[in-house]
Amino acid sequence: NAGVTQTPKFRILKIGQSMTLQCTQDMNHNYMYWYRQDPGMGLKLIYYSVGAGITDKGEVPNGYNVSRSTTEDFPLRLELAAPSQTSVYFCASSAYGYTFGSGTRLTVV
Amino acid sequence: KQEVTQIPAALSVPEGENLVLNCSFTDSAIYNLQWFRQDPGKGLTSLLLIQSSQREQTSGRLNASLDKSSGRSTLYIAASQPGDSATYLCAALTNFGNEKLTFGTGTRLTIIP
Repeated sequence: NAGVTQTPKFRILKIGQSMTLQCTQDMNHNYMYWYRQDPGMGLKLIYYSVGAGITDKGEVPNGYNVSRSTTEDFPLRLELAAPSQTSVYFCASSAYGYTFGSGTRLTVV
Repeated sequence: KQEVTQIPAALSVPEGENLVLNCSFTDSAIYNLQWFRQDPGKGLTSLLLIQSSQREQTSGRLNASLDKSSGRSTLYIAASQPGDSATYLCAALTNFGNEKLTFGTGTRLTIIP
């Protein structure tokens, strides 16, 4: 019972580089989310999806993109990484309650 | 816009004591409220979920209550143990259909052996 799986767990990017954070869930949940967590700031919603082919912006979408081609996968794309994107990123899925992945710690230098 | 507040930001109590963590929210039109636990460097683990029609939920030594009219929820931990040390976050679900959780900033709990 894997739940929500995120890869990679850690990554260091240089300013201007791009990367994709992967998220996969095996619970057949329609709803999936990407959050970022900054120290002392709580979790902020970046993007969410209510099903395959449907995505929408959250509170802090600038600098990110998502796609949802399947129910299982919800990758988050960072284009032109900036130091302000240094954070811990969490993917989650929900049906009745929320299930979170273990996070990706990203540093942009 | 929903805002969720958790005070205090940090709390230390001796092992064995009962304790209460507080969560307040500004918009009482919530669908449910969820409590999570986060260990350092780890993801969030769901502890309890209270539907808007419920007053409380219990799981083992944990009891969560919900008072929509006052915009408050509490997490009661009985007979605290060092293993309870973690950050506890509450989150309110509003706008059902859009499924957006609004998180508090958490209370970092330390249980002193």
